[in-house]
Amino acid sequence: KAGVTQTPRYLIKTRGQQVTLSCSPISGHRSVSWYQQTPGQGLQFLFEYFSETQRNKGNFPGRFSGRQFSNSRSEMNVSTLELGDSALYLCASSLASSGLLSTDTQYFGPGTRLTVL
Amino acid sequence: AQTVTQSQPEMSVQEAETVTLSCTYDTSESDYYLFWYKQPPSRQMILVIRQEAYKQQNATENRFSVNFQKAAKSFSLKISDSQLGDAAMYFCAYRRPSGNQFYFGTGTSLTVIP
Repeated sequence: KAGVTQTPRYLIKTRGQQVTLSCSPISGHRSVSWYQQTPGQGLQFLFEYFSETQRNKGNFPGRFSGRQFSNSRSEMNVSTLELGDSALYLCASSLASSGLLSTDTQYFGPGTRLTVL
Repeated sequence: AQTVTQSQPEMSVQEAETVTLSCTYDTSESDYYLFWYKQPPSRQMILVIRQEAYKQQNATENRFSVNFQKAAKSFSLKISDSQLGDAAMYFCAYRRPSGNQFYFGTGTSLTVIP
């Protein structure tokens, strides 16, 4: 099976612009989560999508948004970019099988390195 | 809120030796999942091992094993026979029983000395 893919791998934007990142999960996986990774803050959870609905959300401003399509592919959008948004954005997918005690494991993509100038 | 703490920002080990990375977490839940992920310089996060809290037996995956102490809320990773390819940042992660949000520690950078 192909792994999680993310496009683009690298992106350079300027302050005030907006950006859209894409994530294609492993075939059959229905949950997609997004994380921001920075040297200072580490890995921080942005949000999770499951069956085209946002199921969980981290503590990020409304400038960060996402969506999931019927084929489970997900996009993340950041509007009005700030210098502090420079980071590695990681997408992770999982089966999201039903049941409280599911042993769901997240599989990560290679990330998109966003630089805001 | 759940917090995950990795108190060792950096560790080093001689090739072929054993090293243990520490992780503690804070939670009021009784059922949850714990993971160790590895992030080499390529930045690709790779699952190393996982542990279900309801299992008393410690998980093992080849040269990787954990010491899960539920009462102490401790989840350490032991790497035996360390290899050069083990050099990476290691993250401990906690996942609640429902939902799919992971909480990560700040990571431990492991250097393997030839």
